[in-house]
This record gives sequence, C-alpha cells and structure tokens, in this order.
Amino acid sequence: QVQLQESGPGLVKPSQTLSLTCTVSGGSISSGGYHWSWIRQPAGKGLEWIGRTYSSGTTNYNPSLRSRVTISLDTSKNQFSLNLSSVTAADTAVYYCARGSVVVPAASYYYYMDVWGTGTTVTVSS
Amino acid sequence: DIQMTQSPSSLSASVGDRVTITCRAGQIIDRYLNWYQQPPGKAPKLLIYAASTLHSGVPSRFRGSGSGTDFTLTINSLQPEDFATYYCQQSYATPSFGQGTKLQIK
Repeated sequence: QVQLQESGPGLVKPSQTLSLTCTVSGGSISSGGYHWSWIRQPAGKGLEWIGRTYSSGTTNYNPSLRSRVTISLDTSKNQFSLNLSSVTAADTAVYYCARGSVVVPAASYYYYMDVWGTGTTVTVSS
Repeated sequence: DIQMTQSPSSLSASVGDRVTITCRAGQIIDRYLNWYQQPPGKAPKLLIYAASTLHSGVPSRFRGSGSGTDFTLTINSLQPEDFATYYCQQSYATPSFGQGTKLQIK
C-alpha cells in the first residue's frame, strides 16, 4: 500500500527557508486522480492545511501562507517538497505530508486526505 | 476562509458509551466535510469523507451525518482505541479544519 515519509532538517534559523521532502512508496506520484498536501500542527494545537500539488503541477496554497510557500513535485524521485521562506518561531510545528483522493458522484468533487506520513518536527530557533 | 467550529472541545466518556461530536461550518458547504481521528502522538487518520461515507477499514461504529452547515460524528460503543482527538475538515473551498475535540476516558 502507499506510504509517505517526511524528511528534512529538524532545526531552522529564523528568517531562513524551511525545506521538507515527502517520499512516496508503494505507488506513483504521477498517478492521476491524486493530489499531494502538506499540513502542520504546532505543539498542543490543531491542524493547519498549508497547500497541495496535483500530478499536473497545479498548486493551491493557504492564503495565509501563500506569499511564503512553494510546493513542487519531483516525479523522477517519487517525491514532493515544501519550501517555506522567512520562517519565524510561529512556524515551529510538526509537519505532515498526505495524499489526497477524490470521489465524483454526480459531478460533485469530494476531496479528502486518505494517506498520511508520520510527521516530522521542525523547530525554528537561532 | 471557511471557519469550522467543533463542539465540545473535549469530553469524557467510558468504554461502551455512545458519543456525538458536532461540527459547524461558517457557510453552507453541502456535504464537503471529512472527519479525522488523531491518536496521541500520531498522525491523523481519515474516518469519514463526503459527510457520511466510511473510509475503507473504519469500523461501522463510526457514523457521520449532516449537510449544509451542521454535521455530526457519532461513535457507538466506544472502544479503548477510540480515545483520541477528532477533527472535521471542509473541502468545499481552501481546506480548513475545526479546532479539534479531545475524547478522554472517564
């Protein structure tokens, strides 16, 4: 079955760029019908959707983070990545990657995230 | 930005109980509503999508209902592994989550 695993630095300095990679195994990231998301969770708090990319390369971002976020695909490595620039302590969180799927009954597109990575903790500190 | 509000924020229950968690959207979202379960220290898991469709492998004691702005997640006959935090998430527009409901053992 499909599995996702996040990787990247656990510590990033303020004002620098946070870069994470999600490696997909058990399936192709190029498969149609899926999208690939990043979600984060500060310690003791709720979930925040960051953004997603489709196999076509189309991206959608959370408006509150749009100016600082880039999500991209690397089909040759079966990976997708997150870059978050100009980080501050408020960006300290557990970062999850997830696969998104869709069902289309009667021309309504119901999206959901059905496979998640285990998460990676990123701390922003000097 | 669609605001999602869950209630209660936390609740205590016993094994075998039935519990209900409510999620209210800030605008009509039809049935574009998903539910996730997050065990302590672990990643979220999908329970229900499109308001009431059980994800593959999810026990039938979980039930989702609702449409428009008001949704509920009902768990019948609570099991020890059900004590976790539950989140609703709308997929009508840019995805957003509720603040979570922590289900604790009484």
